[in-house]
Amino acid sequence: SQQGEEDPQALSIQEGENATMNCSYKTSINNLQWYRQNSGRGLVHLILIRSNEREKHSGRLRVTLDTSKKSSSLLITASRAADTASYFCATDENMYSGGGADGLTFGKGTHLIIQP
Amino acid sequence: DGGITQSPKYLFRKEGQNVTLSCEQNLNHDAMYWYRQDPGQGLRLIYYSQIVNDFQKGDIAEGYSVSREKKESFPLTVTSAQKNPTAFYLCASSLKDGNTEAFFGQGTRLTVV
Repeated sequence: SQQGEEDPQALSIQEGENATMNCSYKTSINNLQWYRQNSGRGLVHLILIRSNEREKHSGRLRVTLDTSKKSSSLLITASRAADTASYFCATDENMYSGGGADGLTFGKGTHLIIQP
Repeated sequence: DGGITQSPKYLFRKEGQNVTLSCEQNLNHDAMYWYRQDPGQGLRLIYYSQIVNDFQKGDIAEGYSVSREKKESFPLTVTSAQKNPTAFYLCASSLKDGNTEAFFGQGTRLTVV
């Protein structure tokens, strides 16, 4: 079952601007992760935020988590053309409920285009 | 280099044929996963394995089979029973505790001709 739902589905901005993507989920989680996928390639892990954390930074990335609203946001600051990709959030819904490595549940992603 | 390798990158299958997609990792991860991705969609879990000689069905296991005879290897067979097999297939691995990142291969694009 797909739990994470990203918003917007597509986003086009100018290079240098900030890009914000949102993710909502339905049930309780232990952690939420963000991944990036370049066209036709595998996914690359960006950042993991645990349920007891509210904000996390990694370079130009800033992730927030609001467990009361079951939502997360990914902010990419000072965007570059190379940031053009699809971005997915993933939760451990199955692991939270059953324990163990039951696989991540992914949303449909936000396709980000950075115009040079 | 440590990582996860999928092969082949592109695969063409005639209707009615079974095909096997390879996935190998040298990260010493216990858990391995297979996902399917359709155009413009997210990833859907096909099968996963937490330990050698054991695996579990994911959300869309019908028409697929797997084996886990070695820790490093988790091949996926797309059988003729899979009605719509054309898709992008991604293999991933992670530590068993599930509270860490997953590492993905570069994917196999399967096309039925």
